[in-house]
Amino acid sequence: QKEVEQNSGPLSVPEGAIASLNCTYSDRGSQSFFWYRQYSGKSPELIMFIYSNGDKEDGRFTAQLNKASQYVSLLIRDSQPSDSATYLCAVNTHNQGGKLIFGQGTELSVKP
Amino acid sequence: DVKVTQSSRYLVKRTGEKVFLECVQDMDHENMFWYRQDPGLGLRLIYFSYDVKMKEKGDIPEGYSVSREKKERFSLILESASTNQTSMYLCASSSGGAGELFFGEGSRLTVL
Repeated sequence: QKEVEQNSGPLSVPEGAIASLNCTYSDRGSQSFFWYRQYSGKSPELIMFIYSNGDKEDGRFTAQLNKASQYVSLLIRDSQPSDSATYLCAVNTHNQGGKLIFGQGTELSVKP
Repeated sequence: DVKVTQSSRYLVKRTGEKVFLECVQDMDHENMFWYRQDPGLGLRLIYFSYDVKMKEKGDIPEGYSVSREKKERFSLILESASTNQTSMYLCASSSGGAGELFFGEGSRLTVL
């Protein structure tokens, strides 16, 4: 089992819909969780992080963490074509200076 | 504005050549990382460093070495490049244990 798993997609949603991106992880000791967005040909950029169980909202983005089930998700409300990118889930299993383990990423396509 | 700069965006090298990839950050970050990114495999950690002259192996260190002589600079070295090292290489830095990585623009290496 991979340490961090994501559906590779592509995930296609119409403009204005909610996009739901999911990630599971294997290490129960994982402490912090990150979502990065990567546009084609560009480097990843952080969009959300979450440390505690529950929801964390930032504008149109909501991160959800369930440590008992070992999954973290990212919801994008009112999806826009500019949200089309690959979304990377990353997990800090040792809480040491950002040694992150990344999933393989989910490609999201938002259709106008 | 935070910045991680990678010296070369595109490189083409021949099998057996020695390759240097340089990374400089201007954020006074303690932690620096080298990842490679390949389609379907996501980001994989090669080496990281928590301090000057310190280095630790990541998940795929074979065929690579690193150097960190100054806090702001982290170099990745391919002693004898091979075709299976053709990839996108991403340098990143972070501060403390927060885990937020700041990435450089990437260096796309092709080994012929």
